[in-house]
Amino acid sequence: GQQLNQSPQSMFIQEGEDVSMNCTSSSIFNTWLWYKQDPGEGPVLLIALYKAGELTSNGRLTAQFGITRKDSFLNISASIPSDVGIYFCAGRTTGTASKLTFGTGTRLQVTL
Amino acid sequence: NAGVTQTPKFQVLKTGQSMTLQCAQDMNHEYMSWYRQDPGMGLRLIHYSVGAGITDQGEVPNGYNVSRSTTEDFPLRLLSAAPSQTSVYFCASRAGGNTEAFFGQGTRLTVV
Repeated sequence: GQQLNQSPQSMFIQEGEDVSMNCTSSSIFNTWLWYKQDPGEGPVLLIALYKAGELTSNGRLTAQFGITRKDSFLNISASIPSDVGIYFCAGRTTGTASKLTFGTGTRLQVTL
Repeated sequence: NAGVTQTPKFQVLKTGQSMTLQCAQDMNHEYMSWYRQDPGMGLRLIHYSVGAGITDQGEVPNGYNVSRSTTEDFPLRLLSAAPSQTSVYFCASRAGGNTEAFFGQGTRLTVV
């Protein structure tokens, strides 16, 4: 089955630094989503993108829907300790109902 | 606000045993899905449903059955558990159209 390539796999950063992660696919998606998962919890939606080229922010988070529709980027500015967790991208194509294809995740650890 | 409720949170099974993972949502969502999460692989879709009485296979359906007799409930059945089914299972639901999924807290299943 298809999986999205997400990078980096993990990163250690210092509090206050900016973070960037991305997701690429060999297929086109019509929706790109970014989720965060805390230990022992289910994924929680951070940002949803519905249009190629769209740039959307949610507080310190900014995500972009790549113009080719085959990639997406998530940036976190001025990271804080509670940003620790695993970040997943997910793509969905039109007409596939609730079928999401998930990336392999980026594990973020923030040091003081 | 219960959202998506999964039970149990943890389960240990012996190979060959059967069990049902429960998922209930109180948001009157049409779409419900089951995913499994394995290290380094993101979330993979097992089965999904677009409404009561309608189910379909996802990416990794083998060894699992589902039914959707009500809008609220979407149980996942393992008829004969295998060690390869050791994983964390997530149920998700969403309304129709361009709405995004809410995830439950997960069921951690170990098959020995």
